[in-house]
Amino acid sequence: QQQVKQSPQSLIVQKGGIPIINCAYENTAFDYFPWYQQFPGKGPALLIAIRPDVSEKKEGRFTISFNKSAKQFSLHIMDSQPGDSATYFCAASTRRDEKLTFGTGTRLTIIP
Amino acid sequence: EAGVAQSPRYKIIEKRQSVAFWCNPISGHATLYWYQQILGQGPKLLIQFQNNGVVDDSQLPKDRFSAERLKGVDSTLKIQPAKLEDSAVYLCASSHLRLEETQYFGPGTRLLVL
Repeated sequence: QQQVKQSPQSLIVQKGGIPIINCAYENTAFDYFPWYQQFPGKGPALLIAIRPDVSEKKEGRFTISFNKSAKQFSLHIMDSQPGDSATYFCAASTRRDEKLTFGTGTRLTIIP
Repeated sequence: EAGVAQSPRYKIIEKRQSVAFWCNPISGHATLYWYQQILGQGPKLLIQFQNNGVVDDSQLPKDRFSAERLKGVDSTLKIQPAKLEDSAVYLCASSHLRLEETQYFGPGTRLLVL
Protein backbone atom coordinates (compact mmCIF):
# COMPACT_ATOMS: atom_id res chain seq x y z
CA GLN A 1 0.00 0.00 0.00
CA GLN A 2 2.86 2.34 0.79
CA GLN A 3 5.01 1.37 -2.17
CA VAL A 4 6.00 3.66 -5.02
CA LYS A 5 7.10 1.77 -8.13
CA GLN A 6 9.58 3.50 -10.42
CA SER A 7 10.77 2.64 -13.91
CA PRO A 8 13.04 2.28 -15.75
CA GLN A 9 15.93 1.33 -13.48
CA SER A 10 18.40 2.93 -15.88
CA LEU A 11 18.12 5.11 -18.95
CA ILE A 12 20.58 6.33 -21.58
CA VAL A 13 19.58 9.27 -23.77
CA GLN A 14 21.45 11.37 -26.25
CA LYS A 15 21.98 15.03 -25.54
CA GLY A 16 18.90 17.02 -26.53
CA GLY A 17 16.58 14.05 -26.11
CA ILE A 18 13.67 13.86 -23.67
CA PRO A 19 14.14 11.21 -20.99
CA ILE A 20 10.92 10.12 -19.30
CA ILE A 21 10.82 8.43 -15.89
CA ASN A 22 7.61 6.89 -14.62
CA CYS A 23 6.22 6.22 -11.15
CA ALA A 24 3.07 4.48 -9.94
CA TYR A 25 1.49 4.35 -6.51
CA GLU A 26 -1.31 2.47 -4.76
CA ASN A 27 -2.11 4.59 -1.72
CA THR A 28 -4.85 7.02 -2.74
CA ALA A 29 -4.12 9.08 0.39
CA PHE A 30 -0.86 10.27 -1.14
CA ASP A 31 -1.19 13.95 -2.01
CA TYR A 32 2.33 15.25 -2.50
CA PHE A 33 4.65 13.94 -5.21
CA PRO A 34 8.22 15.30 -5.37
CA TRP A 35 11.10 14.32 -7.59
CA TYR A 36 14.64 14.30 -6.22
CA GLN A 37 17.94 14.39 -8.10
CA GLN A 38 21.01 12.75 -6.62
CA PHE A 39 24.60 13.04 -7.85
CA PRO A 40 27.25 10.52 -6.75
CA GLY A 41 28.49 11.23 -3.23
CA LYS A 42 25.75 13.79 -2.58
CA GLY A 43 22.40 13.73 -0.84
CA PRO A 44 19.17 13.95 -2.86
CA ALA A 45 18.02 17.45 -3.78
CA LEU A 46 14.43 18.45 -4.52
CA LEU A 47 13.94 19.06 -8.23
CA ILE A 48 10.21 19.66 -8.64
CA ALA A 49 7.00 18.62 -6.88
CA ILE A 50 3.30 18.41 -7.67
CA ARG A 51 0.00 18.03 -5.81
CA PRO A 52 -2.90 16.06 -7.35
CA ASP A 53 -5.06 19.10 -8.02
CA VAL A 54 -3.08 19.81 -11.21
CA SER A 55 -2.17 17.48 -14.08
CA GLU A 56 1.10 19.11 -15.07
CA LYS A 57 3.78 21.30 -13.57
CA LYS A 58 6.76 22.78 -15.39
CA GLU A 59 9.90 24.31 -13.94
CA GLY A 60 12.55 25.18 -16.48
CA ARG A 61 13.41 22.06 -18.47
CA PHE A 62 11.68 19.74 -15.97
CA THR A 63 8.00 18.78 -16.22
CA ILE A 64 5.88 16.53 -14.03
CA SER A 65 2.82 14.93 -15.61
CA PHE A 66 0.25 13.58 -13.15
CA ASN A 67 -2.60 11.15 -13.87
CA LYS A 68 -4.75 10.82 -10.76
CA SER A 69 -7.13 8.18 -12.14
CA ALA A 70 -4.24 5.95 -13.19
CA LYS A 71 -2.27 6.72 -10.02
CA GLN A 72 0.79 7.50 -12.08
CA PHE A 73 3.15 10.42 -12.46
CA SER A 74 6.19 11.00 -14.61
CA LEU A 75 9.19 13.28 -15.01
CA HIS A 76 10.18 14.67 -18.40
CA ILE A 77 13.47 16.46 -18.98
CA MET A 78 13.46 18.70 -22.05
CA ASP A 79 16.63 19.37 -24.03
CA SER A 80 18.61 17.03 -21.77
CA GLN A 81 22.28 17.82 -21.10
CA PRO A 82 25.22 15.70 -19.91
CA GLY A 83 25.02 17.61 -16.61
CA ASP A 84 21.59 16.05 -16.04
CA SER A 85 23.26 12.64 -15.64
CA ALA A 86 22.28 11.58 -12.13
CA THR A 87 19.95 9.26 -10.23
CA TYR A 88 16.36 10.44 -10.05
CA PHE A 89 13.93 9.39 -7.33
CA CYS A 90 10.20 9.92 -7.25
CA ALA A 91 8.51 10.05 -3.87
CA ALA A 92 5.08 10.44 -2.32
CA SER A 93 3.58 11.42 1.01
CA THR A 94 0.35 12.36 2.72
CA ARG A 95 -0.55 15.57 4.52
CA ARG A 96 -1.31 13.49 7.61
CA ASP A 97 2.16 12.17 8.37
CA GLU A 98 4.39 13.90 5.78
CA LYS A 99 6.57 10.77 5.55
CA LEU A 100 8.25 10.49 2.16
CA THR A 101 8.09 7.08 0.49
CA PHE A 102 10.73 6.91 -2.24
CA GLY A 103 10.83 4.93 -5.46
CA THR A 104 13.82 2.75 -6.23
CA GLY A 105 15.54 5.31 -8.44
CA THR A 106 16.47 5.71 -12.12
CA ARG A 107 20.07 6.13 -13.14
CA LEU A 108 20.03 8.55 -16.08
CA THR A 109 22.97 8.99 -18.42
CA ILE A 110 22.97 11.70 -21.07
CA ILE A 111 25.56 11.05 -23.74
CA PRO A 112 27.01 13.94 -25.78
CA GLU B 1 23.09 29.55 4.15
CA ALA B 2 24.99 26.47 5.25
CA GLY B 3 23.49 23.13 4.31
CA VAL B 4 22.93 20.02 6.40
CA ALA B 5 26.24 18.81 7.79
CA GLN B 6 27.04 15.18 8.50
CA SER B 7 30.06 13.38 9.83
CA PRO B 8 31.90 11.21 9.33
CA ARG B 9 31.56 10.87 5.54
CA TYR B 10 32.81 7.30 5.53
CA LYS B 11 33.08 4.59 8.15
CA ILE B 12 34.26 0.99 7.97
CA ILE B 13 33.64 -1.29 10.96
CA GLU B 14 33.43 -4.97 11.68
CA LYS B 15 30.15 -6.65 12.48
CA ARG B 16 29.10 -6.47 16.13
CA GLN B 17 30.99 -3.19 16.60
CA SER B 18 29.16 0.04 17.36
CA VAL B 19 29.12 3.22 15.30
CA ALA B 20 27.66 6.71 15.63
CA PHE B 21 26.76 9.32 13.04
CA TRP B 22 26.28 13.02 13.63
CA CYS B 23 24.03 15.51 11.89
CA ASN B 24 23.71 19.27 12.16
CA PRO B 25 20.59 20.52 10.37
CA ILE B 26 20.09 23.86 8.69
CA SER B 27 19.74 26.59 11.28
CA GLY B 28 16.14 27.14 12.29
CA HIS B 29 14.84 23.87 10.87
CA ALA B 30 12.59 22.24 13.44
CA THR B 31 12.19 18.88 11.75
CA LEU B 32 15.04 16.42 11.34
CA TYR B 33 14.99 13.07 9.55
CA TRP B 34 17.35 10.11 9.38
CA TYR B 35 17.15 7.90 6.30
CA GLN B 36 18.89 4.67 5.34
CA GLN B 37 19.78 4.29 1.66
CA ILE B 38 20.90 0.82 0.65
CA LEU B 39 22.79 0.60 -2.64
CA GLY B 40 20.39 0.62 -5.57
CA GLN B 41 17.38 1.64 -3.50
CA GLY B 42 15.61 4.81 -2.52
CA PRO B 43 16.06 6.33 0.94
CA LYS B 44 13.99 4.75 3.69
CA LEU B 45 12.92 6.85 6.68
CA LEU B 46 14.27 5.60 9.99
CA ILE B 47 13.20 8.33 12.38
CA GLN B 48 11.68 11.81 12.33
CA PHE B 49 12.14 14.45 15.04
CA GLN B 50 10.15 17.63 15.57
CA ASN B 51 12.40 19.84 17.71
CA ASN B 52 13.70 17.33 20.27
CA GLY B 53 10.66 15.03 20.23
CA VAL B 54 10.23 11.87 18.16
CA VAL B 55 7.40 12.11 15.63
CA ASP B 56 7.87 8.73 13.95
CA ASP B 57 10.30 5.91 14.63
CA SER B 58 8.16 3.06 13.34
CA GLN B 59 10.84 1.86 10.91
CA LEU B 60 13.79 2.16 13.28
CA PRO B 61 15.17 -1.28 14.32
CA LYS B 62 15.10 -0.39 17.98
CA ASP B 63 16.98 -3.48 19.12
CA ARG B 64 20.15 -2.06 17.58
CA PHE B 65 19.49 1.49 16.40
CA SER B 66 19.01 4.54 18.58
CA ALA B 67 18.82 8.24 17.85
CA GLU B 68 18.60 11.37 19.88
CA ARG B 69 18.23 15.07 19.26
CA LEU B 70 19.10 16.82 22.46
CA LYS B 71 18.30 20.53 22.63
CA GLY B 72 16.39 20.25 19.35
CA VAL B 73 19.37 21.03 17.13
CA ASP B 74 21.96 18.44 16.14
CA SER B 75 21.32 14.73 16.27
CA THR B 76 23.18 11.45 16.57
CA LEU B 77 22.23 8.06 15.18
CA LYS B 78 23.86 5.00 16.75
CA ILE B 79 24.04 1.38 15.70
CA GLN B 80 25.02 -1.18 18.33
CA PRO B 81 25.85 -3.91 17.42
CA ALA B 82 26.20 -3.50 13.66
CA LYS B 83 25.24 -6.24 11.22
CA LEU B 84 26.42 -6.80 7.65
CA GLU B 85 23.03 -5.68 6.32
CA ASP B 86 23.48 -2.26 7.94
CA SER B 87 25.95 -1.36 5.17
CA ALA B 88 24.32 1.65 3.54
CA VAL B 89 24.43 5.43 3.26
CA TYR B 90 22.82 7.16 6.22
CA LEU B 91 21.26 10.43 5.18
CA CYS B 92 20.16 13.24 7.42
CA ALA B 93 17.61 15.77 6.21
CA SER B 94 15.91 18.77 7.74
CA SER B 95 12.91 20.92 6.95
CA HIS B 96 11.49 24.15 8.32
CA LEU B 97 8.00 23.20 9.44
CA ARG B 98 5.84 21.63 6.79
CA LEU B 99 6.75 19.27 3.99
CA GLU B 100 6.17 22.02 1.46
CA GLU B 101 9.19 23.77 2.87
CA THR B 102 11.26 20.96 1.30
CA GLN B 103 13.48 18.39 2.95
CA TYR B 104 17.14 19.35 2.56
CA PHE B 105 19.52 16.43 2.60
CA GLY B 106 23.07 16.24 3.83
CA PRO B 107 25.80 14.39 1.88
CA GLY B 108 25.34 11.23 3.94
CA THR B 109 27.63 8.87 5.81
CA ARG B 110 28.64 5.77 3.89
CA LEU B 111 28.89 2.79 6.27
CA LEU B 112 30.54 -0.49 5.36
CA VAL B 113 30.18 -3.36 7.82
CA LEU B 114 32.67 -6.19 7.28
